[in-house]
Amino acid sequence: DSGVTQTPKHLITATGQRVTLRCSPRSGDLSVYWYQQSLDQGLQFLIQYYNGEERAKGNILERFSAQQFPDLHSELNLSSLELGDSALYFCASSVGGQTSTDTQYFGPGTRLTVL
Amino acid sequence: KNEVEQSPQNLTAQEGEFITINCSYSVGISALHWLQQHPGGGIVSLFMLSSGKKKHGRLIATINIQEKHSSLHITASHPRDSAVYICAAFRYSGGGADGLTFGKGTHLIIQP
Repeated sequence: DSGVTQTPKHLITATGQRVTLRCSPRSGDLSVYWYQQSLDQGLQFLIQYYNGEERAKGNILERFSAQQFPDLHSELNLSSLELGDSALYFCASSVGGQTSTDTQYFGPGTRLTVL
Repeated sequence: KNEVEQSPQNLTAQEGEFITINCSYSVGISALHWLQQHPGGGIVSLFMLSSGKKKHGRLIATINIQEKHSSLHITASHPRDSAVYICAAFRYSGGGADGLTFGKGTHLIIQP
């Protein structure tokens, strides 16, 4: 158990809908990272927040947005969902904000299925 | 072409064998991560390297910055090592931090 929690574990929804994925980091960790893992693209970095502020941005679509709240939990919002958005979404947390030096602890993931 | 390439894609070996998984990257990086993804989907960070070599138990990771290449070795492999091993490179671009760029993974099966 990494100490990172993600809810829900599974989510099934329809095209065009909007969903929110939630992540609670390990106690004491200030950074939250979001990743998407699909069968064809593999793992892709979406976005990083550090202590409430956006720190780095990857291949995140404009239909997706994220935020980190004062209690450090984070939410990833996915809107106007398409079939291709079906994937495993992982969040990870680390103590600091440096991807080059900080160990990341991964949550169990949320499996999103868009029908 | 993916910026991070792993080989082999799939590897099946017998228990006790020495395993090597390779990772090559095409851009200058600040650090390289090795991750393990279990059959159930969970991901664990194994190593972070910016130079040299690191060892943890039966796992050894090396990196050659000049050749843009890293290897993950498993000594005395065991069926519980069966997993997908993923390397990921981190670099800064002109616009700031980019986050991790991932290889496609190496699917390792260790048979008893």
